[in-house]
Amino acid sequence: KQEVTQIPAALSVPEGENLVLNCSFTDSAIYNLQWFRQDPGKGLTSLLLIQSSQREQTSGRLNASLDKSSGRSTLYIAASQPGDSATYLCAVPLPNQGGKLIFGQGTELSVKP
Amino acid sequence: DAGVIQSPRHEVTEMGQEVTLRCKPISGHNSLFWYRQTMMRGLELLIYFNNNVPIDDSGMPEDRFSAKMPNASFSTLKIQPSEPRDSAVYFCASRQGLAGAGDNEQFFGPGTRLTVL
Repeated sequence: KQEVTQIPAALSVPEGENLVLNCSFTDSAIYNLQWFRQDPGKGLTSLLLIQSSQREQTSGRLNASLDKSSGRSTLYIAASQPGDSATYLCAVPLPNQGGKLIFGQGTELSVKP
Repeated sequence: DAGVIQSPRHEVTEMGQEVTLRCKPISGHNSLFWYRQTMMRGLELLIYFNNNVPIDDSGMPEDRFSAKMPNASFSTLKIQPSEPRDSAVYFCASRQGLAGAGDNEQFFGPGTRLTVL
């Protein structure tokens, strides 16, 4: 059974700091891994999707890495800003169950000005 | 593109009433998903459709829940009768490829916050 875990559950950093969010999964047979951002009371915004054949994906100040063999992914945020404050979730699709995403519980990030 | 559209954004109802949530996926997307988010259980998939056909409804909690997709641009999730434990945020998501390929991003709507008193 696939389980997705995110550590830490909450993180508070001063503006400008580089930070890393962690995501681990128990079954390495994944097609891809997707990182989302969720603002309070809002829906999920897709940030990055890493295919199983890739090791990294970058978008602006965000860089996501994937190590299937160890069942881990990290989301690196460079030069954090108060506008980055949100909950970040990672999710993996179950193999042969057509796109069914299993989500972690999320990391709530607060960037202090 | 307007993205995935959901209505209503907020719904407050009394126990026993019927609730209908609506979703319009992104034009051209073949797969549609209904999720539920609660503090206790996080995000859970309820049901998904490929080309308007329900494929996996194993996440639907009870017979009180039903979902339909009469055409490519509209889906509903109905709860009848509603109960306080159904209170949650319900999200609709869509993706371009057929769910099964596993390599396309899912795009989420803003959600419907349901409160059952």
